[in-house]
Amino acid sequence: DVKVTQSSRYLVKRTGEKVFLECVQDMDHENMFWYRQDPGLGLRLIYFSYDVKMKEKGDIPEGYSVSREKKERFSLILESASTNQTSMYLCASSFTAGAPQYFGPGTRLTVT
Amino acid sequence: QQQVKQSPQSLIVQKGGIPIINCAYENTAFDYFPWYQQFPGKGPALLIAIRPDVSEKKEGRFTISFNKSAKQFSLHIMDSQPGDSATYFCAAPPNAGNNRKLIWGLGTSLAVNP
Repeated sequence: DVKVTQSSRYLVKRTGEKVFLECVQDMDHENMFWYRQDPGLGLRLIYFSYDVKMKEKGDIPEGYSVSREKKERFSLILESASTNQTSMYLCASSFTAGAPQYFGPGTRLTVT
Repeated sequence: QQQVKQSPQSLIVQKGGIPIINCAYENTAFDYFPWYQQFPGKGPALLIAIRPDVSEKKEGRFTISFNKSAKQFSLHIMDSQPGDSATYFCAAPPNAGNNRKLIWGLGTSLAVNP
């Protein structure tokens, strides 16, 4: 089975802190994604990566950056956390374009 | 911006009922329509998917029907059970040549009462 793991299930950070969220997949997938999920807003794509060191902006990239130095690992970085970034963050991966996306369990981030 | 419009936002049925969730899309070039199921505290998981060259696909109690002329696809859950209570999302790629990412519906919260 495909496994996508995220570094933390719950995280509490202070405004202005730099926050790293890590995601690892174990199935040699090409594509990796970061979403945030908020009530009533569904899943919104922040960034995705289709190869090592390659990235594309999603629908809401402002305030975020990403890093993919190894194929299996995709990191989401909040350079200076703000309260409006309090959310559930979901990582996903897919084998190739058009293939199903497999999700991790999510990280619930609270910024105070 | 292309959209996928999902309805209803929430749904309550009795055990054994057949909830139906609808999604309407705007772009005729969509070539892959997945449905995802999400339980509380978990990430979404692929439930079933359909390509537009077929009008219906069944997997167990779950059926997707696709109406290309109406630009709609629907999820039917036969003989629904309390364990089906979850949030369901439809999705589609933005166009036939760009299916690395998906456009998501806003989700339908389904409650199946015992």
